[in-house]
Amino acid sequence: DIQVTQSPSSLSASVGDRVTITCRASQSISSYLNWYQQKPGKAPKLLIYAASSLQSGVPSRFSGSGSGTDFTLTISSLQPEDFATYYCQQSYSAPPWTFGQGTEVAIK
Amino acid sequence: EVQLVESGGGLVQPGGSLRLSCAASGFTFSSYDMHWVRQPTGKGLEWVSAIGTAGDTYYPDSVKGRFTISREDAKNSLYLQMNSLRDADTAVYYCVRGDSSSRYPYYYYYMDVWGKGTTVTVSS
Repeated sequence: DIQVTQSPSSLSASVGDRVTITCRASQSISSYLNWYQQKPGKAPKLLIYAASSLQSGVPSRFSGSGSGTDFTLTISSLQPEDFATYYCQQSYSAPPWTFGQGTEVAIK
Repeated sequence: EVQLVESGGGLVQPGGSLRLSCAASGFTFSSYDMHWVRQPTGKGLEWVSAIGTAGDTYYPDSVKGRFTISREDAKNSLYLQMNSLRDADTAVYYCVRGDSSSRYPYYYYYMDVWGKGTTVTVSS
């Protein structure tokens, strides 16, 4: 099974900061990488698919990049509603669909 | 409005059984793969099962032989029969829609609609 590892596990940032989260796959997965946002007590929400395609309705301050084994989710200017946990997920070799362990973005 | 609503969660003893249901609305249910994804309290997401539009099913090793996913397209419903439950199965269970987008010549798969979840607690 392909493993995906996120870093950092958590970070603290201020409103307006640029935030970057990294996801690394255990083998090349081309661009088969998705990003989800989850707020406390809520279901996950799809943000980005195919490494860099923004899901409909998601603000343009979110962007994704990368291919192969290394991927990045960037929030260009952190907003109060962006404080949440973010998960990456590979869909290259599935099943199983595997998720990263999550990155919690907290208020500094 | 596209919506998934789970039901059937509850408290069950180890070794017991439970059947989860998911009611879909706002889209052509029969045209989509469907999944169950779970999340133990304070932990990450784990894919639990999938069913294709043709009824093909998939499971990770952690639940294979104990869980059975099924669908009833006429009722726009998804099910998860969980047997031989263990403490480690305690989690919120989400019903999720799978979809794909083409960027020639590839199809990129993702999970784009999630229910609010139903809680399963396995405890004596």
